[in-house]
Amino acid sequence: EAGVAQSPRYKIIEKRQSVAFWCNPISGHATLYWYQQILGQGPKLLIQFQNNGVVDDSQLPKDRFSAERLKGVDSTLKIQPAKLEDSAVYLCASSLGVTGTSNQPQHFGDGTRLSIL
Amino acid sequence: AQSVTQLGSHVSVSEGALVLLRCNYSSSVPPYLFWYVQYPNQGLQLLLKYTSAATLVKGINGFEAEFKKSETSFHLTKPSAHMSDAAEYFCAVSARYNTDKLIFGTGTRLQVFP
Repeated sequence: EAGVAQSPRYKIIEKRQSVAFWCNPISGHATLYWYQQILGQGPKLLIQFQNNGVVDDSQLPKDRFSAERLKGVDSTLKIQPAKLEDSAVYLCASSLGVTGTSNQPQHFGDGTRLSIL
Repeated sequence: AQSVTQLGSHVSVSEGALVLLRCNYSSSVPPYLFWYVQYPNQGLQLLLKYTSAATLVKGINGFEAEFKKSETSFHLTKPSAHMSDAAEYFCAVSARYNTDKLIFGTGTRLQVFP
């Protein structure tokens, strides 16, 4: 089966600019996650969707970050305006299970490496 | 609340030596526990998971981990390291029955020397 696809792989922007990332999950996966991985740290969940509804966005900086999952499939994550501390790898993951069935593994894409100048 | 502590940000072993990566967890409810591996410029790949069946869990690439409730530990081991095992390893926890939100540790970078 095809894995989780993310684009772009790399992005360099200046602070205060905007940027968007795209994710296409594995076909049939109900749940989609966006993680932020800062250099030297483990991934941190930003937002979790089940189909096209938001399950958890408690750690999403809503003043500058937004995300949507149109029609319960693809998702985009946007940052506007970007700050220096947003430099990180943004990982998208998907899983087959619905919320509460946490033994379903999450499958990760290769991520987008964002550098803010 | 759940949390994970990985002891040792860097571990170095010789090829053929035992690999031991340490993970301790904290959870207010019975946990699910996971080990993921990340190769450079790639996403995370699941190595193995504990979901309350056998306490000794076997994963891919010869890795295994043992859930020890009394020690709140879930250490990852491999009897004989291979050069291809060099990567970053992350331990993660989620709360059973409640949410599938993963809480990751800070990672351990494994180096394997010939």
